[in-house]
Amino acid sequence: EPEVTQTPSHQVTQMGQEVILRCVPISNHLYFYWYRQILGQKVEFLVSFYNNEISEKSEIFDDQFSVERPDGSNFTLKIRSTKLEDSAMYFCASSHAGRGGVMGQPQHFGDGTRLSIL
Amino acid sequence: RKEVEQDPGPFNVPEGATVAFNCTYSNSASQSFFWYRQDCRKEPKLLMSVYSSGNEDGRFTAQLNRASQYISLLIRDSKLSDSATYLCVVNPRGGSNYKLTFGKGTLLTVNP
Repeated sequence: EPEVTQTPSHQVTQMGQEVILRCVPISNHLYFYWYRQILGQKVEFLVSFYNNEISEKSEIFDDQFSVERPDGSNFTLKIRSTKLEDSAMYFCASSHAGRGGVMGQPQHFGDGTRLSIL
Repeated sequence: RKEVEQDPGPFNVPEGATVAFNCTYSNSASQSFFWYRQDCRKEPKLLMSVYSSGNEDGRFTAQLNRASQYISLLIRDSKLSDSATYLCVVNPRGGSNYKLTFGKGTLLTVNP
C-alpha cells in the first residue's frame, strides 16, 4: 500500500536555527498538509497546500513557518528560527482529489518527524 | 466548548469485551467525521469514516447523531491489538481540501 514518507525521523536542533522537515506524499495525491502534536496534546492543523499554494493555515503557522513543493515529489516544512515551543511531532499528510463529495477523501499520515529544540 | 471533545479515559478492558467511545463536536456545520487510531508515538491511522446512517466494519461500528452533534465508536470482541488511543476527528467543511480537527483521544488498553 502506498504511504507518505517523512525524513528525518528525529531532528535535534539548537534554538534559533532553521530546520527543514521533508515529506514525500502519496504519488497521485494532490492535497498536502502539515500537522503537529506536542507531547501529551492533541494533533493540531498547521497548513494545507494545493496547486502550489497554501489553501489554509492556522494561527500557529506564523511568519516563521513556510511550506514548499520544490519538485514533483517532495513537500517541505521550514521553520526559520526555531523556538523551544516548536518541539513536537510533525506529521505530513496527503489526500486524493477524487470524488469524495461532502465526505472528502481521507487523509493519510506519514510516520512523523520528532523535532527537539535545545 | 471545545471543538471536538472525547471521553477522557483511559479505558482498561479484558479481551473480548465491548467498549464504546463517545465524542461531541461544537460546529454544527461540520460535514464529515472520522475515527483514527494512534499507537504510542506513532502517526494517526484512519480507522473508519463515519456516515450519517451509521456504518460497520467488522468488529467496529460508528454512529453519528447530527442533531446532538455526537459521534460514537463501538468495538466488539476487543483484541490485545486494539490497544491504542482512539481519535475522534471532524472536518468542519466538505470537499477534498480540508483541515481536520482532532479530539485529544481516548486511550484504550485491552488486557489478556
